[in-house]
Amino acid sequence: DGGITQSPKYLFRKEGQNVTLSCEQNLNHDAMYWYRQDPGQGLRLIYYSQIVNDFQKGDIAEGYSVSREKKESFPLTVTSAQKNPTAFYLCASSIGAGPYNEQFFGPGTRLTVL
Amino acid sequence: AQTVTQSQPEMSVQEAETVTLSCTYDTSENNYYLFWYKQPPSRQMILVIRQEAYKQQNATENRFSVNFQKAAKSFSLKISDSQLGDTAMYFCAFMIEVNAGKSTFGDGTTLTVKP
Repeated sequence: DGGITQSPKYLFRKEGQNVTLSCEQNLNHDAMYWYRQDPGQGLRLIYYSQIVNDFQKGDIAEGYSVSREKKESFPLTVTSAQKNPTAFYLCASSIGAGPYNEQFFGPGTRLTVL
Repeated sequence: AQTVTQSQPEMSVQEAETVTLSCTYDTSENNYYLFWYKQPPSRQMILVIRQEAYKQQNATENRFSVNFQKAAKSFSLKISDSQLGDTAMYFCAFMIEVNAGKSTFGDGTTLTVKP
């Protein structure tokens, strides 16, 4: 089955620790995205990648880092510099980054920092 | 800066009736796309409908249709014959063509369909 997988579904970390969220897609999509969702709010773009080995900052990139070494993988690291990391994180992908290309979303990871 | 405003945090509708969700946006760009996304309780986000700003004809997808008023910067979603499975949070979003990849989302409207 083609799709996007995010793991784990729930993640708990102690304050001050870095944590990496996984996102994998087997849709052969060039573009991938990371969003953050807080209660009662819409999605905010953290980082996006239009092609392998390239990525751009979104609106709230501070305290996060990404890599795009493989087409199918776009991991997100939440660093200790992120002041309020507890949130729901969604990964998405599309054939290309243009607005005419539908974004397909993964099931999300809920990160709780204790 | 681009902004998207959804002024109705919560709405409810009886099964089989019609409901309209509101969305307004602000941009100085001319070439952009507008979207409605659905996020059910499972949190799996899916695209409901898309509208290209250069198209005057309103987009429709089965029971879902939009009323796009470019001059008023308004983009409402109409759901006809509401079904229990339509219960979800709905997000309005847009992307300008020159910033491919960067979507701006509203804060969402929680829709409950009552039996």
